[in-house]
Amino acid sequence: QVQLVQSGAEVKKPGASVTVSCRTSGYTFTSYWIHWMRQTPGEGLEWMGIINPSGGSTDYAQKFQGRVTMTRDTSTSTVYMELRSLRSEDTAVYYCARRVVGFSTSVYFDSWGQGTLVTVSS
Amino acid sequence: AIQMTQSPSSLSASVGDRVTITCRASQGIGNDLGWYQQKPGKAPKVLIYAASRLQSGVPSRFSGSGSGSDFTLTISSLQPEDSATYFCLHDYTYPWTFGQGTRVEIK
Repeated sequence: QVQLVQSGAEVKKPGASVTVSCRTSGYTFTSYWIHWMRQTPGEGLEWMGIINPSGGSTDYAQKFQGRVTMTRDTSTSTVYMELRSLRSEDTAVYYCARRVVGFSTSVYFDSWGQGTLVTVSS
Repeated sequence: AIQMTQSPSSLSASVGDRVTITCRASQGIGNDLGWYQQKPGKAPKVLIYAASRLQSGVPSRFSGSGSGSDFTLTISSLQPEDSATYFCLHDYTYPWTFGQGTRVEIK
């Protein structure tokens, strides 16, 4: 079955970087785009960006441009999300999700990772 | 970016009640909208996509309607297991944006 398994919780100091991984299985890795979101009590769910595992192309939300990089490793069917210059407001649960195409090219997320809590604190 | 305004932010209803949640987009998005259910400590789960398409395996008491900028999620007969937070999400253009969520509580 389709599975997305994320790396464990992280605690980082302000100014540091964090990398969250999302290891996929149960399907052809290069056939489905992966999106990253985060969730905070204050901002709710925020869309951060996408990566196409086939060619590695990405598209990032303007809010995170210059601070985020999404990459993939096709040999391990894993995608990564690096967020740099962390600040306290980046404390959140980060999710990866698989995008599928449904009826008449409509898209949605059918599988999610379990979430990774990133805490930014001095 | 397209803003999604979701209402109400919370509601309390009894088992068997009909529940309606709405999302309004700041511009027309066709039918590029999904509804997701999230329970505490869990990732969201898709209920509806393309505004009105029921995801496989989702109970038929859930339905979606709307197009353009106004959308509705309806639970026709609320069940105890429907206690959760519900989000809309547009996929019209990047950046995708979520509604702020509606917390549904069972009386």
